Amino acid sequence: GAGVSQTPSNKVTEKGKYVELRCDPISGHTALYWYRQSLGQGPEFLIYFQGTGAADDSGLPNDRFFAVRPEGSVSTLKIQRTERGDSAVYLCASSLRGQGYDTGELFFGEGSRLTVL
Amino acid sequence: GENVEQHPSTLSVQEGDSAVIKCTYSDSASNYFPWYKQELGKRPQLIIDIRSNVGEKKDQRIAVTLNKTAKHFSLHITETQPEDSAVYFCAAQGSELSFGAGTTVTVRA
Repeated sequence: GAGVSQTPSNKVTEKGKYVELRCDPISGHTALYWYRQSLGQGPEFLIYFQGTGAADDSGLPNDRFFAVRPEGSVSTLKIQRTERGDSAVYLCASSLRGQGYDTGELFFGEGSRLTVL
Repeated sequence: GENVEQHPSTLSVQEGDSAVIKCTYSDSASNYFPWYKQELGKRPQLIIDIRSNVGEKKDQRIAVTLNKTAKHFSLHITETQPEDSAVYFCAAQGSELSFGAGTTVTVRA
């Protein structure tokens, strides 16, 4: 597609449930990022992939959060045993960044709004 | 990790006036400083960026300045227009790109 695509756009779940959020980056972008944005705040870094590998997962808040990018394109963010505090908009972005370079322009998706009841 | 602080949190200006947003960062190794604009309900989009080997960059009505010694950088919007109303985020890249909390800019017609 022409831009970064995220699904679902909205997800409502109950506390304790498992959720998966999907990101389809711009074709050819080797770098993929997940951010979390709470109301009135800036995007908070979660994890960065360069190709298939997680180059930096230092932003994942705890071991309930996990992300994969098995073929170097589509990525899935997985959240186990969801808590109310996980409610936020989860933003995915991609860029042409090469190893050891700055990010360059990040192209963001529309986000997946997660609500944990 | 990198810590980015952004001020003010809200800014209201008369159409045609200038708007200035200021950010500070903590990691002296940071070398890339982009600014993103996010309209209500939409995705953030890059409007301008600056790298650490440059002190100032301008693109039409938008300019960014960087002071590496003081670890602060600023966004300047001149001749503001109603379509400039949005939330603006500064960011700094240490190990990864860290964002400020945002400034809600309202341009009054």
